[in-house]
Amino acid sequence: GAVVSQHPSRVICKSGTSVKIECRSLDFQATTMFWYRQFPKQSLMLMATSNEGSKATYEQGVEKDKFLINHASLTLSTLTVTSAHPEDSSFYICSARKPGTSRETQYFGPGTRLLVL
Amino acid sequence: GQQLNQSPQSMFIQEGEDVSMNCTSSSIFNTWLWYKQEPGEGPVLLIALYKAGELTSNGRLTAQFGITRKDSFLNISASIPSDVGIYFCAGQKGEGAQKLVFGQGTRLTINP
Repeated sequence: GAVVSQHPSRVICKSGTSVKIECRSLDFQATTMFWYRQFPKQSLMLMATSNEGSKATYEQGVEKDKFLINHASLTLSTLTVTSAHPEDSSFYICSARKPGTSRETQYFGPGTRLLVL
Repeated sequence: GQQLNQSPQSMFIQEGEDVSMNCTSSSIFNTWLWYKQEPGEGPVLLIALYKAGELTSNGRLTAQFGITRKDSFLNISASIPSDVGIYFCAGQKGEGAQKLVFGQGTRLTINP
């Protein structure tokens, strides 16, 4: 397997503030990471694909200026929710693609619970 | 966005029973993955399938990649309380950094 961590595990913030979530691959280098959002009792919805050293690719309907993604190294991607509002409250999960194998798998982080008051 | 059709949405079973769930799609996928998610945590990979017709086991779990490449199933034998959780199928269409498409999930509840 492979280990992916996220920090923080949960955060509560006031409306209008910005929140940064980190995603790290601990025992492998990940050129590609993915950010998902999951609302209660729903499936994971892909928000964006984070590519090391280049701009992220956002899914349709996801505001790139609101959800800033930075993938500055092969082991770290960050998601910043800017000017957060209550409707941004959700469970944010990252995953990392483990390269170097013909058999593709994605390993997920433990998630970050965001509550915007 | 596109989602896989996963069924059933929920299951209520007795401990010791076998469980079966499946995912279908109208399009072809080259990789099928099965994940389990517990409350407040991220999904954990259970089984990965890479070849049409492939049948793979992981302990009491068995999954198969449909021959048409448009479906997959997951079976759990002799269920135990720790099997409780939400099971997701996910499909990937190509090699490389291709995104995953997820099913809606199957919520498994076990009565001891």
